[in-house]
Amino acid sequence: GENVEQHPSTLSVQEGDSAVIKCTYSDSASNYFPWYKQELGKGPQLIIDIRSNVGEKKDQRIAVTLNKTAKHFSLHITETQPEDSAVYFCAATPTGSQGNLIFGKGTKLSVKP
Amino acid sequence: GAVVSQHPSWVICKSGTSVKIECRSLDFQATTMFWYRQFPKQSLMLMATSNEGSKATYEQGVEKDKFLINHASLTLSTLTVTSAHPEDSSFYICSALVASGNADTQYFGPGTRLTVL
Repeated sequence: GENVEQHPSTLSVQEGDSAVIKCTYSDSASNYFPWYKQELGKGPQLIIDIRSNVGEKKDQRIAVTLNKTAKHFSLHITETQPEDSAVYFCAATPTGSQGNLIFGKGTKLSVKP
Repeated sequence: GAVVSQHPSWVICKSGTSVKIECRSLDFQATTMFWYRQFPKQSLMLMATSNEGSKATYEQGVEKDKFLINHASLTLSTLTVTSAHPEDSSFYICSALVASGNADTQYFGPGTRLTVL
C-alpha cells in the first residue's frame, strides 16, 4: 500500500525566513497530495493541495511543488510569521481508495520572532 | 472551504461506558466521511470510512464491534466507542469528502478529546 515519508520532523526558523517541508510517496498511481496545518488541540486545516497533472501551485506565501518522476512533493512557506507555527502534515490518496488519505508523520514548525 | 463540526469537543467517561461522537457537514452533503484517531505527537490514523446508507469500512486492526459507525444521513456520521477503556483515550477526528468532478477534497472537523478514567 501507499507509504508517505515526511522530513524533517521538526523545523525551527526565524521570522521572515522560508521553510521547506518534503514528502515522498511510494504509490506511483497516487494522484492527490494535500497539505494540512494542525494547531494544538484542533483538527487539521487544509492549506493547499496539488493534483498529479500540475507541477506547482501557489497561494500567497504558500506553494507546493510536485515531482511525479521522483515521487516527492514539497511545501514552501515564505516570509514566515509566528502564527505559522504548527504541525504540518502531508498526505497522499492511494490508488483505488474512496478518497481516504495516507498521512506523513508530521513536521513541527516553530517560527521564532 | 467546507465546514465540518464535531460534538462534543471533549468528553470524560468512566471505564466500561459508551460514548457517542457526532460529525456533521454544515454547509454541504457528504456521502463519505472518515474517522481518524490521533495519539499525542503522532500522525492521524484512519480508523474507518463511513458511507451514507451502507456499512462502514474498517481499517485492519480496528474492531468494528467496539467502534460503531453510523452514517444515517448525508450530513451526519456518528462514532460510538463501546465499553470504553483507558487505552481508548485519544483525539478522534472526523472528515468529510467534498466531491467535485474528479477532484475530491477532504475537510476535517475540530476533533473530540476522549478521556477514559
